[in-house]
Amino acid sequence: QKEVEQNSGPLSVPEGAIASLNCTYSDRGSQSFFWYRQYSGKSPELIMFIYSNGDKEDGRFTAQLNKASQYVSLLIRDSQPSDSATYLCAVNGLTGGGNKLTFGTGTQLKVEL
Amino acid sequence: DGGITQSPKYLFRKEGQNVTLSCEQNLNHDAMYWYRQDPGQGLRLIYYSQIVNDFQKGDIAEGYSVSREKKESFPLTVTSAQKNPTAFYLCASSIDFRPDEQFFGPGTRLTVL
Repeated sequence: QKEVEQNSGPLSVPEGAIASLNCTYSDRGSQSFFWYRQYSGKSPELIMFIYSNGDKEDGRFTAQLNKASQYVSLLIRDSQPSDSATYLCAVNGLTGGGNKLTFGTGTQLKVEL
Repeated sequence: DGGITQSPKYLFRKEGQNVTLSCEQNLNHDAMYWYRQDPGQGLRLIYYSQIVNDFQKGDIAEGYSVSREKKESFPLTVTSAQKNPTAFYLCASSIDFRPDEQFFGPGTRLTVL
């Protein structure tokens, strides 16, 4: 069983729509949750992190965490073509502790004109 | 500008050769990490270092070696024992080893010919 799971996509949304990206994790001891954006051929760029249950908003991005259900999601409002990328979910606090991140395989988002 | 640099950007190696990938940071971060990414895959942890002169194996350390003689430098050697070395290698750092954000360098793409 994978520790961090994401739908690989591609997820296609029209420009201006809301994109919803989901991630589930297996270890209930997980403490911190991160969303990275990765453009093709580039390195991951941190866009959001969340530690507590509930929602966290930053501009057009909202991260949602539900520890009871073991999922974390990322909403992108008013999606733009420049949002087209792969979004990686990362979790730490898994067994082994410290700041070792476990990554999902990523969801490819395509924002269409 | 503070950040993480990796060199070279592209590296070609013949089978049987060892190669060393450079990673330097001027963020004054204690912790540093090496990941590899294969096409369509998430990032997998190779080695990490919580502090200078200390490092630990990650999930896929076989065929790799590292050193951490200076706080700002964490070079990775890909040895001839690594069976499938062709990949995108990413170096990251964080303030320390408590659960927190990791920031990535631009990556080195290694191709074995």
